[in-house]
Amino acid sequence: GQSLEQPSEVTAVEGAIVQINCTYQTSGFYGLSWYQQHDGGAPTFLSYNALDGLEETGRFSSFLSRSDSYGYLLLQELQMKDSASYFCAVRDQGAGSYQLTFGKGTKLSVIP
Amino acid sequence: EPEVTQTPSHQVTQMGQEVILRCVPISNHLYFYWYRQILGQKVEFLVSFYNNEISEKSEIFDDQFSVERPDGSNFTLKIRSTKLEDSAMYFCASSERASGSYEQYFGPGTRLTVT
Repeated sequence: GQSLEQPSEVTAVEGAIVQINCTYQTSGFYGLSWYQQHDGGAPTFLSYNALDGLEETGRFSSFLSRSDSYGYLLLQELQMKDSASYFCAVRDQGAGSYQLTFGKGTKLSVIP
Repeated sequence: EPEVTQTPSHQVTQMGQEVILRCVPISNHLYFYWYRQILGQKVEFLVSFYNNEISEKSEIFDDQFSVERPDGSNFTLKIRSTKLEDSAMYFCASSERASGSYEQYFGPGTRLTVT
């Protein structure tokens, strides 16, 4: 079956760096995305990796290793507003499929 | 910045009643989706829609669910006979079909409460 594993909760200090890991077991793999969701809000796209390596977008970076079925989201210079849930999601249904399978999410708490 | 909109923001209905959740995707997007999120749980895919037909659906999307694009702007999810376990936040999303771009834009959601 399909599964995505990520830590349920992470706490980090304002200004610090935090890494949120995601491992996946899926029958197919066509890319890993990361979404941010504030309490009561909608998921917001952060990044997408289809190939191995690091993608950087401002304070956020995402990494993928397809051979290890592993990826992570790196948040630098943490701000209080980064407190939210972060979901990894895979495209696993084919190259032409846009269906996303989400992980259970990691609740990030940024403390002063 | 263009955004996905959804109405209503909160819908309360009695078990067995029909509900229609409405969405207006971003205007130049071609792919539309419905997801649901039960309180405290992960986001789950329901259905995707392209070129006026369903392109994919999950096991959750059974015969009591249907989707429609009644005009050029709206995209609706109908639940024919609601059950208590249908209580969840329902998100509509849309994406444009661009090579290498799989970003999905989510609406603010409709919280459905079935009593």
